[in-house]
Amino acid sequence: QVQLQESGPGLVKPSETLSLTCTVSGGSISSYYWSWIRQPAGKGLEWIGRIYTSGSTNYNPSLKSRVTMSVDTSKNQFSLKLSSVTAADTAVYYCARASGYSSSWYSYWGQGTLVTVSS
Amino acid sequence: QSVLTQPPSVSGAPGQRVTISCTGSSSNIGAGYDVHWYQQLPGTAPKLLIYGNSNRPSGVPDRFSGSKSGTSASLAITGLQAEDEADYYCQSYDSSLSGSDVFGTGTKVTVL
Repeated sequence: QVQLQESGPGLVKPSETLSLTCTVSGGSISSYYWSWIRQPAGKGLEWIGRIYTSGSTNYNPSLKSRVTMSVDTSKNQFSLKLSSVTAADTAVYYCARASGYSSSWYSYWGQGTLVTVSS
Repeated sequence: QSVLTQPPSVSGAPGQRVTISCTGSSSNIGAGYDVHWYQQLPGTAPKLLIYGNSNRPSGVPDRFSGSKSGTSASLAITGLQAEDEADYYCQSYDSSLSGSDVFGTGTKVTVL
């Protein structure tokens, strides 16, 4: 059974860079698309972006200038960096596995990690 | 600002049928991209409920069904149960947003 686990600092200062890692267990990270999705408290889900194991990426246009995703197949991990954060970036961040590219669905999710942006 | 619109809330008595709509546009649902549905219980990650417009993953009760027509999709819950009280989200792909996946605004289902 594939499992995903997010890790990273729970508190980030304004203007700094948020960095999270998702570790995949129970299966290989190769040949799949992997995404980051976030959810501010009491609000809906926002898709941040996806990365394929080749390293190709697609980002939400509203976040594109601040987002970088990377993948490390040797560690079965992929990562998210979000720069110049503000309080509006405070949210639970989920990593998830996509079934494909377009028209894909998310069968596997991490439990989510809360990241608070505050000084 | 989601490109998929859902009603904020729906409610029903136990045993009743409720439906949740998901309205998109010609660049997502109307373009033929599939719609998927998720159930999110408080404090937990979303769980896949319906994929490919109308398919249920193993373990999802057949009380849940999905459909799609034109630029909209719907999730129906028949025989509503107390455990169905949760938030529900639709999701699709939008070709006008640099290949982005998009989520609906979310619907809170309340069992009266």
